[in-house]
Amino acid sequence: ETGVTQTPRHLVMGMTNKKSLKCEQHLGHNAMYWYKQSAKKPLELMFVYSLEERVENNSVPSRFSPECPNSSHLFLHLHTLQPEDSALYLCASSQDRKRDEQFFGPGTRLTVL
Amino acid sequence: QQQVKQSPQSLIVQKGGISIINCAYENTAFDYFPWYQQFPGKGPALLIAIRPDVSEKKEGRFTISFNKSAKQFSLHIMDSQPGDSATYFCAATKGAGSYQLTFGKGTKLSVIP
Repeated sequence: ETGVTQTPRHLVMGMTNKKSLKCEQHLGHNAMYWYKQSAKKPLELMFVYSLEERVENNSVPSRFSPECPNSSHLFLHLHTLQPEDSALYLCASSQDRKRDEQFFGPGTRLTVL
Repeated sequence: QQQVKQSPQSLIVQKGGISIINCAYENTAFDYFPWYQQFPGKGPALLIAIRPDVSEKKEGRFTISFNKSAKQFSLHIMDSQPGDSATYFCAATKGAGSYQLTFGKGTKLSVIP
């Protein structure tokens, strides 16, 4: 595997389900990001981890819960989501000293019924 | 408040033509302006970027033009090819210490034979 990988690629869940998105980076980076991409809206930064510590939290509802167990892995835990949370969730990584050069994974297409 | 305004929303160009996508920003603290290219089913990939100390940067068929006084920058794709058909996002960030990339809404480019 190379670059940034994300699993699953597609996920359909009900509003009462609990699921998790996984991201893994193979670039030796030490900062990781979650973004939300919705149609006709700019990419929204949700969470940032640097050296496994959360450094930014952009007013994201508590039904989204990130976890970064090490510098290569990032999770997004989902529970009691709403239909408007349906979107493409993108993971990215960077070197902490080069935060403006972010490398994105292919995303997880999430549909909330 | 959208901080990076991107236009047009969609663009159709004939093969061999020039594709031009424009972005305008409001925050004068922005000092790094990348462009990302996203193909269907893939995450955004960094295409080319510019800092405000230069007015133009060229990489192959892709050129960024930057107008600091007007707070505008644009992407030009020369000799556009069908393989360039993708969604293009401009972005901006302030300072090497910032994790926050502010994105435009994207332009869907279709290059027709």
